[in-house]
Amino acid sequence: AQSVTQLGSHVSVSEGALVLLRCNYSSSVPPYLFWYVQYPNQGLQLLLKYTTGATLVKGINGFEAEFKKSETSFHLTKPSAHMSDAAEYFCAVSRATKLPAGNKLTFGGGTRVLVKP
Amino acid sequence: EPEVTQTPSHQVTQMGQEVILRCVPISNHLYFYWYRQILGQKVEFLVSFYNNEISEKSEIFDDQFSVERPDGSNFTLKIRSTKLEDSAMYFCASRAVVLPGELFFGEGSRLTVL
Repeated sequence: AQSVTQLGSHVSVSEGALVLLRCNYSSSVPPYLFWYVQYPNQGLQLLLKYTTGATLVKGINGFEAEFKKSETSFHLTKPSAHMSDAAEYFCAVSRATKLPAGNKLTFGGGTRVLVKP
Repeated sequence: EPEVTQTPSHQVTQMGQEVILRCVPISNHLYFYWYRQILGQKVEFLVSFYNNEISEKSEIFDDQFSVERPDGSNFTLKIRSTKLEDSAMYFCASRAVVLPGELFFGEGSRLTVL
């Protein structure tokens, strides 16, 4: 079974400050890891993903995340917050497979980011 | 840019009624999913569908739920006899064959059961 824990359901940052969203996962098999963002009244949109290779992955809108196997973590960062980053962010894990079965995403509880001017 | 579309955006129904939520996945995608999010809770997996059959389903997806791809474009979720606890936002998603985990989500259908 897989699970994801996101520390902090709400995070408030000042515009221009570092954004750090924490994600820890549990998986008995090698994982694929993802961050999705949800803007108000919209669906979830993929920010970035780790499947294989380089453990530091870059995504859209200046976000990046680092896969740390020893810490079972996949924290999301952005050096300088922008007002448009206000949204809810979801970390997710799936099994490392391209097969039809076993590739479902398991989501964390989400972290809502508020950006203060 | 191709997108997943869902209808209706909001449906209110009486307990015990049947509900069908509709989704049009991205045209060249072959994997389809339904997720739901009860207000204030996690996004939960319901079912995945590939090659005209269910490939995986969760414990939530009991006999009251069914999915169908009636034609080449639509993907539907049916709830036969709705319960109060079925009230949630239901998200459809699809993905291409070679992009594991890169799901494209619709904007969701909000179901309210009274």
